[in-house]
Order: sequence, then C-alpha cells, then structure tokens
Amino acid sequence: DAGVTQSPTHLIKTRGQQVTLRCSPKSGHDTVSWYQQALGQGPQFIFQYYEEEERQRGNFPDRFSGHQFPNYSSELNVNALLLGDSALYLCASSTGLAGHAPDTQYFGPGTRLTVL
Amino acid sequence: AQSVTQLGSHVSVSEGALVLLRCNYSSSVPPYLFWYVQYPNQGLQLLLKYTSAATLVKGINGFEAEFKKSETSFHLTKPSAHMSDAAEYFCAVRYSSASKIIFGSGTRLSIRP
Repeated sequence: DAGVTQSPTHLIKTRGQQVTLRCSPKSGHDTVSWYQQALGQGPQFIFQYYEEEERQRGNFPDRFSGHQFPNYSSELNVNALLLGDSALYLCASSTGLAGHAPDTQYFGPGTRLTVL
Repeated sequence: AQSVTQLGSHVSVSEGALVLLRCNYSSSVPPYLFWYVQYPNQGLQLLLKYTSAATLVKGINGFEAEFKKSETSFHLTKPSAHMSDAAEYFCAVRYSSASKIIFGSGTRLSIRP
C-alpha cells in the first residue's frame, strides 16, 4: 500500500517564475492538505482540499493556489515566486473533513523548492 | 489565539538517558494532540496521538506522552535514548476534527555517544 507520494523531490526556480507541485494521497484517503516548512521552522498550513474544493486556507497570499482531481490527487501552484518561497512543501492526506473521530494526516516526503 | 509551544529548540542527551521534550497548548477545551518526528531530508512521521481516550499515550519507537489538562501539556518521553532517535520533533494540535493542524516550531534532539 503506497503512502503519500510527492513530485518532484527537488526543484530550482528563479524569482518571478511559476511552479507546480504534485501529490498523490494514501490509498483510501480523499482529503489533501498542503504545508510550507521553511528551514528551521514547523510546517505552516497553506490549504486543504476535499471533494475537489478548497475547504480551509491558512495565511498565504493568492499566489498560492491549488487543485484536487477526481482521483483525489492534488497540485499546489505558486505564481510570481519570491526568494522567501524557498521551503520544503509537504502534502498530507486524510479521510473526510468533519468526521466523528479525529483523523490522522499522513505526510509525504515533501518537495524541496529553492528560489534563486 | 490557538497555539502550541515547544520549550527548547534543541535538546541534547546521552545515549541511554531519559528523553523529555516539552509541549504546551493553549485551549480551554482539550484538543487533539500529536507528536511527529522528522528525520533529515524526510517528511513527517506520526509518533503518537491523543484523542481524549487514555491520558498516557504510547507511540512507536518506545516513545510515550502524557496529556495533563491541568498543565495544558503533552510532553514526549522515552526512557532510554538511542542514537537513531536523533531527529526533529514536532508537537501539533488540532482543535476539532474539521480544523487545521497547528504545529509547534520543533525541537531538535541530539544524542551523545
């Protein structure tokens, strides 16, 4: 049973460019959350997708957008890249939104984005 | 504001010694609490979670954590440290099953031979 997978593993971009990161959730999971983890810090919540819609969003600008596909996989898009966008981007999958029991998010290995 | 605080950005212990990593949360309502471990250049791995059942939670790799409502704490412990425990540890909180997870800033655990 494959866990959460992310691609690519590493990515180097220059300021002003656009980037797309991809995530496939763990089998049986239908909810995908994205996090940004800057060097030396804890992960910061970007947004969460469920049933192909953005359900929750953290304090990130509109340059950060996403999409969820019918097979539950997801993309994170970042436009007009800034140096400060350099970070490890983590994808986490889980089941449902308001379940009767707290779900546990399973994390992928992340995509390391470097903006030069 | 909802938050989680990890005391100590870096903890160093000798191999075989007790590991204690501290975590406090801010809430009047007991939340869901988690500890994650992150090895270098890897994603997060769940160590254990508290979901309002037993207050003492046992996790993987010999770690456990105790939920203390009176102290709003969820400290992580391991009786005997192993070299392979060297990693970054994150405490996280979730205030409802539909809310986002909030992470602490992390504690880097080093193990001395």
